[in-house]
Amino acid sequence: DAGVIQSPRHEVTEMGQEVTLRCKPISGHDYLFWYRQTMMRGLELLIYFNNNVPIDDSGMPEDRFSAKMPNASFSTLKIQPSEPRDSAVYFCASSFRDGTEAFFGQGTRLTVV
Amino acid sequence: QQQVKQSPQSLIVQKGGISIINCAYENTAFDYFPWYQQFPGKGPALLIAIRPDVSEKKEGRFTISFNKSAKQFSLHIMDSQPGDSATYFCAADDPANFGNEKLTFGTGTRLTIIP
Repeated sequence: DAGVIQSPRHEVTEMGQEVTLRCKPISGHDYLFWYRQTMMRGLELLIYFNNNVPIDDSGMPEDRFSAKMPNASFSTLKIQPSEPRDSAVYFCASSFRDGTEAFFGQGTRLTVV
Repeated sequence: QQQVKQSPQSLIVQKGGISIINCAYENTAFDYFPWYQQFPGKGPALLIAIRPDVSEKKEGRFTISFNKSAKQFSLHIMDSQPGDSATYFCAADDPANFGNEKLTFGTGTRLTIIP
């Protein structure tokens, strides 16, 4: 397995534009997590899914953020409209049902100008 | 909100020395304590983990020490090498909470090993 795959690796967009980040989890994993990493706030959990169902979205900062998991092999995190303060590295991770090890993707570095 | 407090924020250690990173938690339901290692431009990766039924776990140069009564655990890197320079995150989870499992991460420690 190639691991968790995220795209794009880098995204530069103008304020107000819609941004969509994509994630392909490891096949067979039950959990999918979206994290945001910044220097100021560290690694923040935004939302996670269990068997494609959103379980906890309390970390989503605002209504501008939304996430979907239409099937077991694909998830998206959308920001609409984007703002400069959304600039961060966004990680997707997946794990088996016991949750003991989360496998992270390489991340998407988002810059909103 | 469940929290894991990590210190120090940054650490510089001489090559060959011992690097020590500390974490403290509040939720007594936590039952699994992993450490993740992150290199620049990469996602975090599991380094070593411990469950509270043991007080210490060692894998090569990496050791986790766990103090259940104090609700603290630490990562020790023996004979630290420049290749160990990375950001380290402690985390905690309640694996028994089926259907609602998620890792709670500390804020990270940027470790630099100098020659």
